[in-house]
Amino acid sequence: EIVLTQSPATLSLSPGERATLSCRASQSVSTYLAWYQQKPGQAPRLLIYSASYRATGIPARFSGGGSGTDFTLTISSLEPEDFAVYFCQQRLNWPLSFGPGTKVEFK
Amino acid sequence: QVQLQESGPGLVKPLETLSLTCTVSGGSISSSPYYWGWIRQPPGKGLEWIGSIYYTGTTSYYNPSLNSRVTISIDTSENQFSLNLKFVTAADTAVYFCARPRQENAGGAFDIWGQGTMVTVSS
Repeated sequence: EIVLTQSPATLSLSPGERATLSCRASQSVSTYLAWYQQKPGQAPRLLIYSASYRATGIPARFSGGGSGTDFTLTISSLEPEDFAVYFCQQRLNWPLSFGPGTKVEFK
Repeated sequence: QVQLQESGPGLVKPLETLSLTCTVSGGSISSSPYYWGWIRQPPGKGLEWIGSIYYTGTTSYYNPSLNSRVTISIDTSENQFSLNLKFVTAADTAVYFCARPRQENAGGAFDIWGQGTMVTVSS
């Protein structure tokens, strides 16, 4: 079973700043990693799949990188609507697993 | 476009069975080889994958932490798939989501989600 850890747990930033979120896997997941954004009371929204591909309709300010065990999600310039919780998820092997999340909050 | 909608009781008694259904609209559940999934989220916590079932119903995968209590089934005639979780406790209180991966014949990433349904386990 693959365990995902995310850091930091909370990121306090201001609009316009750059956000860098980290996801680490307990073993290699190649590039079978996805990122989601979740706002209160809503279902998660897929942002990135296969580590670096933006899902349909996702703005270019969101980018993903990494392979193997270390991944990053970067938001180049935070918009007010980007303050949310972000989860990573691996799909290399069953069982699927999610990271614990990083909350991006207003500084 | 494909949409998902969860339905089922919002309150379940301890040690009983939680049963939820996900209705698929805008497309046929049996037309494309997807692994349809269930994910849950306890209040204020993270996401937990529960399990996924292949569109034919012939293959399913479950979270080992729930494996002995969970069953996912598919009803192509109703265009639905369902979750049964036995012997529930307060720890099973969560928002339950159904979801579909973006890629056929793959377990994730999930790009179509239901709105989620809150299930509380309490006597």
